[in-house]
This record gives sequence, structure tokens and C-alpha cells, in this order.
Amino acid sequence: AQSVTQLDSQVPVFEEAPVELRCNYSSSVSVYLFWYVQYPNQGLQLLLKYLSGSTLVKGINGFEAEFNKSQTSFHLRKPSVHISDTAEYFCAVSRRGSEKLVFGKGTKLTVNP
Amino acid sequence: DGGITQSPKYLFRKEGQNVTLSCEQNLNHDAMYWYRQDPGQGLRLIYYSQIVNDFQKGDIAEGYSVSREKKESFPLTVTSAQKNPTAFYLCASSILAGPSYNEQFFGPGTRLTVL
Repeated sequence: AQSVTQLDSQVPVFEEAPVELRCNYSSSVSVYLFWYVQYPNQGLQLLLKYLSGSTLVKGINGFEAEFNKSQTSFHLRKPSVHISDTAEYFCAVSRRGSEKLVFGKGTKLTVNP
Repeated sequence: DGGITQSPKYLFRKEGQNVTLSCEQNLNHDAMYWYRQDPGQGLRLIYYSQIVNDFQKGDIAEGYSVSREKKESFPLTVTSAQKNPTAFYLCASSILAGPSYNEQFFGPGTRLTVL
């Protein structure tokens, strides 16, 4: 069975600092990978996804992620965060050919002034 | 605008009562999903459906039931058998072909509180 580990439950950073949110997955087969963002009391919004091709994926709001197959990781990065990036971020994986997503437990990013 | 609607946003029920959460999508998506979200637990799959009149159990289906009589609608009933129903419930949908395959679109959620 697939699983997703988000290594940090909470990440505090100062405004304009860089940030990396870590995600590792376990799967012996080819996968699709996703990062979603959730603002308080709202649904999830897709930030970016990796399906195939280039391992560096660019998403919305200046975020990017790098797929590393050998390390089974898909870390999310942003070079300079804003207060408005304060939210919870979820990494998710699905096996190719499956319609189901498996989510990590989330990382709460808090951007302080 | 296309999207997913969930109603109501907040729902309060007494213990022992069944309650039905609504989910409607006008994206013409094939598949629909229900998740439960608890603090620090991420999202856990309750039920999903790929086609009308068919659905499958997810990881935590006990105490829940669903129906899929129309492509655009996928209501979730939280029954009195669900031991701890207070949670945030999220509905999602996805298309099962093309470049957006596996990309799930989420509704705004329903927060259920059982008193």
C-alpha cells in the first residue's frame, strides 16, 4: 500500500525567507504526485502536480517542487514567502492507473512578519 | 462558473441522528469522492464512485453510506453507527481521462458537529 510522510507538522518562517516543505512517499510502482494548499475552513486547492517528464514542476503562487525518484521525495519550495502563504499544505500520491489519492498528514506553514 | 458545491457549510446534530451532507458538481467529472479531515490526520477516504449507480468503500467507510443516482450528485449520510462523527467533510471530483487525470477538485467542505 502507498503511504505519504510529511516530515514536518509545523514550519514557522519569516516573511521573504525561503521555505521547503518535505514529502516522502513509499511506492514500488510509478506514481503521480500532487501538492495541495488549504486555507482555514476551506477546501483544498491544487498547487502543482507531477505526472511525467521534467522532474522540476512549477505551480501557482511561485511554488515549485522537485521529483526525486531515487529518494522517493517530492519536496515543495518557494524562494520568498508572503504572509498570505500561511496555510496547511498537503502532499498526495496516486499509483498510475488508480483514481485514488493517498494524502500525507499535512504541514502547517506560518509566515511571520 | 464550474465547481463543486457542498451544503450546508456548518451542521449541528444530536447524537444518534442520521444526517446527510450534500455534494454537487457541474464539471462533468466522472468520479466523485468523500473525505473526512480531522486535525493532524490529513484526509482519509470514506467512499468513492467512478460511475453512476456504483461506488466503492474507502479506508474508513464504517458508519457512512452514499448514493450516486446522478453523475453530478454524491450525497453522504453519516449514520448513528459512526462512533465519532464530528469532523470536517470534503467532497471532491475528478475526470478519468486526459491531462487532468487523477487531479481532484475539492468543494469548500461541511463542518459537522454532533452534540
